[in-house]
Amino acid sequence: AQSVTQLDSQVPVFEEAPVELRCNYSSSVSVYLFWYVQYPNQGLQLLLKYLSGSTLVESINGFEAEFNKSQTSFHLRKPSVHISDTAEYFCAVTITGNQFYFGTGTSLTVIP
Amino acid sequence: GAVVSQHPSRVICKSGTSVKIECRSLDFQATTMFWYRQFPKQSLMLMATSNEGSKATYEQGVEKDKFLINHASLTLSTLTVTSAHPEDSSFYICSARNGDQGTYEQYFGPGTRLTVT
Repeated sequence: AQSVTQLDSQVPVFEEAPVELRCNYSSSVSVYLFWYVQYPNQGLQLLLKYLSGSTLVESINGFEAEFNKSQTSFHLRKPSVHISDTAEYFCAVTITGNQFYFGTGTSLTVIP
Repeated sequence: GAVVSQHPSRVICKSGTSVKIECRSLDFQATTMFWYRQFPKQSLMLMATSNEGSKATYEQGVEKDKFLINHASLTLSTLTVTSAHPEDSSFYICSARNGDQGTYEQYFGPGTRLTVT
């Protein structure tokens, strides 16, 4: 079975500081990895995904994540956060695209 | 592209009544749709998978007679919470796969906040 661990439930960070949200997964087979962002009372929006190819993937708003197979990790990073980045972030894995396994989420709070 | 809508966004109903939530893929055909439930400050839990024209597949512990799912067309799936009780109050989110793309991505709707009084 697959599982996803997001070690940090809450991450406070000052505006313009860098941030890393950690995600580790467990699987006996190859997986596809996703990061979703959820703003209050809204659904999930895809931030970025790793399907194949380059292990470093980037989003249009400055986030990036690196797939590390040996460490079974897919940590999300941003070099300089903005107030608008305050949200809940979910890491997810899937094998077939049907069953998605979500982490418990990390609440990112950007402090002015 | 790849927009999924849900209706209503919020609904309040009395205990014992039924509530229907709609999930629509607006600009693509969704061969498979998924229904999730999210409790406050928690992650998403998959409730069921529905394929157009066939019966939904429910996850273990989800009552199929209480949460009725109908995927009548390639752009519409509905979740009906029957005989709702306060413990059914939750945030319900649907997602859809684009069958034409063959990708592993799911597109999520904005969610429906159900409050049972």
